[in-house]
Amino acid sequence: QVQLVQSGAEVKQPGASVKVSCKASGYTFTNYYIHWVRQAPGQGLEWMGINNPSGDSTIYAQKFQGRVTMTKDTSTSTFYMELNSLRSDDTAVYYCTRGFCGRTSCYMEVGLYWGQGTLVTVSS
Amino acid sequence: EIVLTQSPGTLSLSPGERATLSCRASESVSSSSLAWYQQRPGQAPRLLIFGASSRATGIPDRFSGSGSGTDFTLIISRLEPEDFAVYYCQQYGSSLLTFGGGTKVDIK
Repeated sequence: QVQLVQSGAEVKQPGASVKVSCKASGYTFTNYYIHWVRQAPGQGLEWMGINNPSGDSTIYAQKFQGRVTMTKDTSTSTFYMELNSLRSDDTAVYYCTRGFCGRTSCYMEVGLYWGQGTLVTVSS
Repeated sequence: EIVLTQSPGTLSLSPGERATLSCRASESVSSSSLAWYQQRPGQAPRLLIFGASSRATGIPDRFSGSGSGTDFTLIISRLEPEDFAVYYCQQYGSSLLTFGGGTKVDIK
């Protein structure tokens, strides 16, 4: 079965960087995009960007351009999201998520499968 | 980027009642590329609807989605106790995906 298992909670100081991992299993790693979504405490969902592992391309939300990097390690079937220059308002749960293919079409951008979430706390 | 506005912000209803949730886009969403998610406290979001009106696997038929262009609707025909949660719409018709701000359905 498809599983996305994320790394554990992190506490960082303002100005630092954080790198969250998302280990994929149960499917062919390069067949599906992974995108990253975050949720600040008590707030809504915020899309951060998407990583296409087969073409090695990424698209980032404008808000995070220049501050986020999404990468992958094919040898370990793991995706990474690194966010730099952390601020207190980056405190959030960060999720990785993946789409699916039906009988006739693929829906790469919807989130059918989700990681368990990683809480990143930015505090001095 | 496409901005999605959900209304109402909170919907207070009783079990068995019908819930109607709205999602309006700032510009037309191509190919009805709109999804709905349910999120319960402490859980990851759960995909309910994709393609504006197709239910994801395992989603009960009391959930239905409709709409096109800039106006989309999620209807829960008869609320069950487990349906009291927050609901988000998401558009994926452009390369920059966006979510709506959410509608909380709570118990009246």
